[in-house]
Amino acid sequence: DIQMTQSPSSLSASVGDRVTITCRASQTISIYLNWYQQKPGRAPKLLIHAASNLQSGVPSRFSGSGSGTDFTLTISGLQPEDFATYCCQQSYSTPFTFGPGTKVDLK
Amino acid sequence: QVHLQESGPGLMKPSETLSLTCSVSGGSISSDYWSWIRQPPGKGLDWIGYVYYSGTTIYNPSLKSRVSMSLDTSKKQFSLKVTSVTAADTAVYYCARAHYDTLTGYSSFDQWSQGILVTVSS
Repeated sequence: DIQMTQSPSSLSASVGDRVTITCRASQTISIYLNWYQQKPGRAPKLLIHAASNLQSGVPSRFSGSGSGTDFTLTISGLQPEDFATYCCQQSYSTPFTFGPGTKVDLK
Repeated sequence: QVHLQESGPGLMKPSETLSLTCSVSGGSISSDYWSWIRQPPGKGLDWIGYVYYSGTTIYNPSLKSRVSMSLDTSKKQFSLKVTSVTAADTAVYYCARAHYDTLTGYSSFDQWSQGILVTVSS
């Protein structure tokens, strides 16, 4: 199985901050990497697919980059509704696997 | 927009068989891959497997011996069965659409159900 790791596991930030979350795969996955946002008690929401493609309806302050084993999710100008947990997921091979998540909370 | 709604029991006893059904509305079930994903309380997401509209299934090897999935195109439903449940199967279970881009080969879970908490306890 491809193992996904994320850093940091949590971070505190203020509204307006630029936030960067890193995801690393245990083997190369090209750009088969998706990012999700999850709020407490809610289902995950797809933000970014294929490493850098913004899902329809997702604000442009979210962006993704990377290929191979190292990927980044950036939120440019954190908004109050962005305080949530973010996780990555590889779709390169089954079993599909998710990262453990990065919790973004209010400083 | 595709809407997914799962149904099933919320409380089970050890050794029973978990059965969940996911109803699809607002779109066709005769395309894409239909998945089950679970999340134990306070933990991350685990992909259980998917069923294609043709009936083809792929399961996570970690659960493969206990899991089965099926799809009914006429009812626009797909289902999950997990046999011999234990407390370790306690989780929120989501059904989700794995949209597969035939041009690029990339896939992502773009539509999710609200999730159902299944608790296994004696």
